[in-house]
Amino acid sequence: DTEVTQTPKHLVMGMTNKKSLKCEQHMGHRAMYWYKQKAKKPPELMFVYSYEKLSINESVPSRFSPECPNSSLLNLHLHALQPEDSALYLCASSQEQEGSFYGYTFGSGTRLTVV
Amino acid sequence: GNSVTQMEGPVTLSEEAFLTINCTYTATGYPSLFWYVQYPGEGLQLLLKATKADDKGSNKGFEATYRKETTSFHLEKGSVQVSDSAVYFCALRDSQYGNKLVFGAGTILRVKS
Repeated sequence: DTEVTQTPKHLVMGMTNKKSLKCEQHMGHRAMYWYKQKAKKPPELMFVYSYEKLSINESVPSRFSPECPNSSLLNLHLHALQPEDSALYLCASSQEQEGSFYGYTFGSGTRLTVV
Repeated sequence: GNSVTQMEGPVTLSEEAFLTINCTYTATGYPSLFWYVQYPGEGLQLLLKATKADDKGSNKGFEATYRKETTSFHLEKGSVQVSDSAVYFCALRDSQYGNKLVFGAGTILRVKS
């Protein structure tokens, strides 16, 4: 299995809703990432998990809450979002060990629309 | 800090034309370099990579050579197809910050038949 699977593919939510994005990989990667991508822009790093522990938070607002229940799963919990949070949310994974990093494997993303 | 600069697009070519997308970087040391491709409505796919100076990455007819003298990693393809129309991102590994990838702004490629 060489894929990163993200669900749902599309999500429309109101500003008072609570929703979660899910990401799963079975490649044995011990680093997992959340990126946000606005239209016609490069991906922006949000969070990094290394060995199931949060290692990087790029000053993301608290309305985004990541969770890594185990080495294969990564969630992003959403609450009280704003319309400007509408974007493509990408999950990625990679090897973590020095000398074993060959880039990320990305999922196909969740397209989020906040209304 | 580390950064990547790509040529601005969109780049519009006719089918079978030669493609070059320029990428230069600023970094401490010699980071690993990557090209990713994003087709409409999809995530990013790793296209090719190079981990040290003078390495040449290649895949699906695309090539890029890691040039430390010019801090460049230009993407080339000898004959593009309509199916190559996509956004191309150059990236480097910021090893001082875990395995964070730093992306360029992306270059839109449009290939006309």
